[in-house]
Amino acid sequence: GAGVSQSPSNKVTEKGKDVELRCDPISGHTALYWYRQRLGQGLEFLIYFQGNSAPDKSGLPSDRFSAERTGESVSTLTIQRTQQEDSAVYLCASSLVAGVYGYTFGSGTRLTVV
Amino acid sequence: QQQVKQSPQSLIVQKGGISIINCAYENTAFDYFPWYQQFPGKGPALLIAIRPDVSEKKEGRFTISFNKSAKQFSLHIMDSQPGDSATYFCAASRSNAGNMLTFGGGTRLMVKP
Repeated sequence: GAGVSQSPSNKVTEKGKDVELRCDPISGHTALYWYRQRLGQGLEFLIYFQGNSAPDKSGLPSDRFSAERTGESVSTLTIQRTQQEDSAVYLCASSLVAGVYGYTFGSGTRLTVV
Repeated sequence: QQQVKQSPQSLIVQKGGISIINCAYENTAFDYFPWYQQFPGKGPALLIAIRPDVSEKKEGRFTISFNKSAKQFSLHIMDSQPGDSATYFCAASRSNAGNMLTFGGGTRLMVKP
């Protein structure tokens, strides 16, 4: 596609439920990143995929968070047993080669845990 | 540990004025320093970036100044316009470490007409 597409754009879920967030990167982009942006704050790195290499999961805040990517296409971020502190905008970005040309971000998924 | 510190948190500038946002970093291994612009409800968009082998880069009304010895870099927006009102993030990364960006906390810029 022309840009990075994320779905849903908004998600309200009850505390304790699992949620799945989806990211469609730009076609041909081998690197894919997930970030979290809490209200009024900067972006926190969560996880990074580069081609078929093992992902860098060093930013995942707890074992309730996991992510998968199929080849060089769609990625899903899963949050199990959601907590109120998980409320944030989850941003996905992709780049042609690991960051050489900068990232292109999607518009994000706004997650609200009630 | 916050590796990239950004200031100010908010900035109000009159139309036509110069907006200046500053960032300082700690990790000397960083070798790529982009600035992102974010409008409400949108993801950040790459505005301009610099590598440490140059001290300044200009693109239109936007200029990055880079001081390697001080580990600081700044964004200057000349002739600021109301349409520049947005949140600006500086960031830094290491190209040999997957280029994961470490972001500053953001500056909310308002340009008054």
